[in-house]
Amino acid sequence: DAGVIQSPRHEVTEMGQEVTLRCKPISGHNSLFWYRQTMMRGLELLIYFNNNVPIDDSGMPEDRFSAKMPNASFSTLKIQPSEPRDSAVYFCASSSPGHSYEQYFGPGTRLTVT
Amino acid sequence: SQQGEEDPQALSIQEGENATMNCSYKTSINNLQWYRQNSGRGLVHLILIRSNEREKHSGRLRVTLDTSKKSSSLLITASRAADTASYFCATLSTLGRLYFGRGTQLTVWP
Repeated sequence: DAGVIQSPRHEVTEMGQEVTLRCKPISGHNSLFWYRQTMMRGLELLIYFNNNVPIDDSGMPEDRFSAKMPNASFSTLKIQPSEPRDSAVYFCASSSPGHSYEQYFGPGTRLTVT
Repeated sequence: SQQGEEDPQALSIQEGENATMNCSYKTSINNLQWYRQNSGRGLVHLILIRSNEREKHSGRLRVTLDTSKKSSSLLITASRAADTASYFCATLSTLGRLYFGRGTQLTVWP
């Protein structure tokens, strides 16, 4: 298995632009998680899905952030409009109950908003 | 908060020494997991200990769990420079969500 795949790996954009981050979870995993990591705030859970359904989005900072999971093999995290304070590394992770919910992380997307 | 809290925040040792990191949490858990993150990379699962287990080994890693004190420790024996990374504990809630701490930054000097 290729593991969790994220794209792009790096994104540099100007304030006000729309940003879309993509994630392909490991095949067979039924839970998907979006995290944000910064030096100041550490690793924050933004939202997670079980069987493509959002379960807990209480970590989404504000209405500028939205996430979708149209099928079991794809998810997006969108920021519109982006702001400099959104600069961070965004990780996607997937897991399944059959593995005691051990999470497999993707390589992350480093987002810089200027 | 259900988050695990690691202690110390940073640890610096020489190669060959043992490294011990601690984690405390506040609520009941199903299991506790330790992850490692190398600079610029995603987190990688190291070891899992279930709530009914007290100790677990994997290679140079030893994890203990004390549910009465709501604490866990990760011991890395005979450390190597390549062990330099951040180490996170994570507790699993009954809903299948993991709660991560802020991590311990371990530096192993050659």
